[in-house]
Amino acid sequence: QAVVTQEPSLTVSPGGTVTLTCDSSTGAVTSGHKPHWFQQKPGQAPRTLIYDTNIKHSWTPARFSGSLLGGKAALTLSGAQPEDEAEYYCFLSYSGPWLFGGGTKLTVL
Amino acid sequence: EVQLVQSGAEMKQPGESLKISCKTSGYNFANYWIGWVRQMPGKGLEWMGIIQPRDSSSIYSPSFQGQVTISADKSITTAYLQWSSLQASDTAMYYCVRHFGYDYWGQGTLVTVSS
Repeated sequence: QAVVTQEPSLTVSPGGTVTLTCDSSTGAVTSGHKPHWFQQKPGQAPRTLIYDTNIKHSWTPARFSGSLLGGKAALTLSGAQPEDEAEYYCFLSYSGPWLFGGGTKLTVL
Repeated sequence: EVQLVQSGAEMKQPGESLKISCKTSGYNFANYWIGWVRQMPGKGLEWMGIIQPRDSSSIYSPSFQGQVTISADKSITTAYLQWSSLQASDTAMYYCVRHFGYDYWGQGTLVTVSS
């Protein structure tokens, strides 16, 4: 079974920009993997920010964007806010089963 | 308004069976796959599988194949996750989610398995 890898933790300054990445053990991440990105805060259900690489839901703040970068899926946060401190998970399709990454704990400090 | 409302927390003993539910409303249940996601205490998200309510086609994660059963009842727009014999390692929060952009999630069902 494939493995999806994310940075375990990242720190960003308020107002700063940070990029979280999502790597697949099977090779380059493509649009065919339909990358999703989720945000989860303690004690809450996950909330989907991005699906199908770069499509935002109506509730997704404009400061979040999704892309493919250097063979990985990427979530970029531009203009970090204190409320963006959370765990972020990527999620990939493998033509049947789907897999979550291990999550990135993002600290805004 | 789309809603996924899950059944309440469960406390079970090892070896017992369990079926938890996810009642949906506000959309055409038959048209969207429904997924289940596990989150063990203090750990990350794990995709368990999905079901197409129209014909009950399902896809399981290899990690969960044979360990759980996902089902759906179109007549009451409800999806289910069940175990025939729980283990302590099944202790976790379980979420149902609409498998379309993963746009709508249930609130989660906490399952605790302990002797």
